[in-house]
Amino acid sequence: DTEVTQTPKHLVMGMTNKKSLKCEQHMGHRAMYWYKQKAKKPPELMFVYSYEKLSINESVPSRFSPECPNSSLLNLHLHALQPEDSALYLCASSQVGKGDDTEAFFGQGTRLTVV
Amino acid sequence: AQSVSQHNHHVILSEAASLELGCNYSYGGTVNLFWYVQYPGQHLQLLLKYFSGDPLVKGIKGFEAEFIKSKFSFNLRKPSVQWSDTAEYFCAVNAWAAGNKLTFGGGTRVLVKP
Repeated sequence: DTEVTQTPKHLVMGMTNKKSLKCEQHMGHRAMYWYKQKAKKPPELMFVYSYEKLSINESVPSRFSPECPNSSLLNLHLHALQPEDSALYLCASSQVGKGDDTEAFFGQGTRLTVV
Repeated sequence: AQSVSQHNHHVILSEAASLELGCNYSYGGTVNLFWYVQYPGQHLQLLLKYFSGDPLVKGIKGFEAEFIKSKFSFNLRKPSVQWSDTAEYFCAVNAWAAGNKLTFGGGTRVLVKP
């Protein structure tokens, strides 16, 4: 199983809503990532978890709150988002380390629209 | 900080033409290098990767890339493209000292005309 599964695939939320994006992998990877991708732009790193601990936060606004409850799951909690936060949110996973098995596997993403 | 630049934003080709996409990175230490492809409406897929050893790496679907350390480059090539190669191509770099932080180039949109 080389899949990273993200749910939901599409999400429309109001600026006062609270919602969560979910990501799951069963490849035994201990690094998991959230990326944001705007239309016609490359993915931009938001957060990295290594061994279930937050290791990188790319100065993301606090209205985005990541959580890694176990080695297979990664959540992104959303609250009080702005319309400009509308984007494709990608989850990825990889092995931790520097060897040739650290390629990242990406999910299909959640397309988020903030209204 | 590491950065990645792709020289071409848009490329238009006819089928059977050869493709070369440029990628340069700005980190001087040891790096892992990747090319990802994103077909319309699909998720990012790994085309090929370089970690060490032979600087000419072969990937899926007939793609290959050459790592030239002295030029900080990792250019992607395919001798003869097909209409199904229409996609966006991203070069990505993971610098060892930066930990598991994969940084993407700006992407190149490739359109192959039948």
